[in-house]
Amino acid sequence: DAGITQSPRHKVTETGTPVTLRCHQTENHRYMYWYRQDPGHGLRLIHYSYGVKDTDKGEVSDGYSVSRSKTEDFLLTLESATSSQTSVYFCAISGGEASTQETQYFGPGTRLLVL
Amino acid sequence: GDSVTQMEGPVTLSEEAFLTINCTYTATGYPSLFWYVQYPGEGLQLLLKATKADDKGSNKGFEATYRKETTSFHLEKGSVQVSDSAVYFCALSNQGGNQFYFGTGTSLTVIP
Repeated sequence: DAGITQSPRHKVTETGTPVTLRCHQTENHRYMYWYRQDPGHGLRLIHYSYGVKDTDKGEVSDGYSVSRSKTEDFLLTLESATSSQTSVYFCAISGGEASTQETQYFGPGTRLLVL
Repeated sequence: GDSVTQMEGPVTLSEEAFLTINCTYTATGYPSLFWYVQYPGEGLQLLLKATKADDKGSNKGFEATYRKETTSFHLEKGSVQVSDSAVYFCALSNQGGNQFYFGTGTSLTVIP
């Protein structure tokens, strides 16, 4: 299994507070992604990164920002959490060895509840 | 743009029944196709993949064939087990692998 960890695994926060989720990989993969998973919507891409300090928006980026200062870490920040951001957040990586370059590998997820 | 459409669930089958989960795609160029599985409380795991037309991906008794003429990648298993109960996602990768598109997922429950 790809070495991907997410922290925290569970978080409860209040509306209006900032929240930062961390994704850490030990695989030296170039690409990193943040998705949210909600019933009836499947997985929706929030932001992705194609290298250190190189990021781009996904389908549902409003209210979220990201940073990647090192290859191994990709941070997702909810600038001012809202109840609509209650979700399960998954990090994914891709771009490793040539044979598996286009395969995405997922972390275990972070369950976020915004009250 | 590129997209993936998979059959709506939930699907409930008896143990040892035959499984088909339909998946069709829209894409430019030559995408790679994937099936992922998500067990309760876990992240997505790669189940199988195919990178070119007529390729068959297989793993754990599951199979899917990349059909370019019908733009499909249907997932099949001849005899399901209770342990196969999970949510299955069809996905495609394009543009060298940095653009990924997922279906909405199909929930499968297998009853003894």
